[in-house]
Amino acid sequence: DTAVSQTPKYLVTQMGNDKSIKCEQNLGHDTMYWYKQDSKKFLKIMFSYNNKELIINETVPNRFSPKSPDKAHLNLHINSLELGDSAVYFCASSQGSFTFGSGTRLTVV
Amino acid sequence: AQSVTQLDSHVSVSEGTPVLLRCNYSSSYSPSLFWYVQHPNKGLQLLLKYTSAATLVKGINGFEAEFKKSETSFHLTKPSAHMSDAAEYFCVVSDNDYKLSFGAGTTVTVRA
Repeated sequence: DTAVSQTPKYLVTQMGNDKSIKCEQNLGHDTMYWYKQDSKKFLKIMFSYNNKELIINETVPNRFSPKSPDKAHLNLHINSLELGDSAVYFCASSQGSFTFGSGTRLTVV
Repeated sequence: AQSVTQLDSHVSVSEGTPVLLRCNYSSSYSPSLFWYVQHPNKGLQLLLKYTSAATLVKGINGFEAEFKKSETSFHLTKPSAHMSDAAEYFCVVSDNDYKLSFGAGTTVTVRA
């Protein structure tokens, strides 16, 4: 059973489109995150939710909107996609220890 | 504020020789420190973590790291590199339960 699962694994889309990435964890963790890995492999936190409440928002453009329907899910919706949004997006969860999903490679063309 | 500096962007070793990946951290509190590995086109896997228990931490696949508060370092070592160790390695610091700060990564290549 996958602990933190993200879908889709790959996403290719045109500029201006709206897309969503889904994340689910079955570890019973209270806190979930979205991280962005750029082309130089640098990882930076975007959002953190604890028990469905937003606790970290790292100056991410408001085209990015996380949604946490329950503490096991944290989805990422992106409006009006831009070329610079191309990256690998990682979902993670934690309760003392952090567990990452396998990533979603987003390519905007 | 917390931050991490990985001192080497690229390390190349021969198979069977030791590996040393250097990491220095900055933290306002007693931090938790981690090493993660990312194989090509894969997700992040936890190698080991330090959370104020023993200063020498043993991880998976023969890796270990030593926490040295006086030097603010958390270097990762392995006595004998294997071809499967070729990957990207990230040193990570956390001041609290809600945020990880990643280093820029060290690419390890292993020569046959």
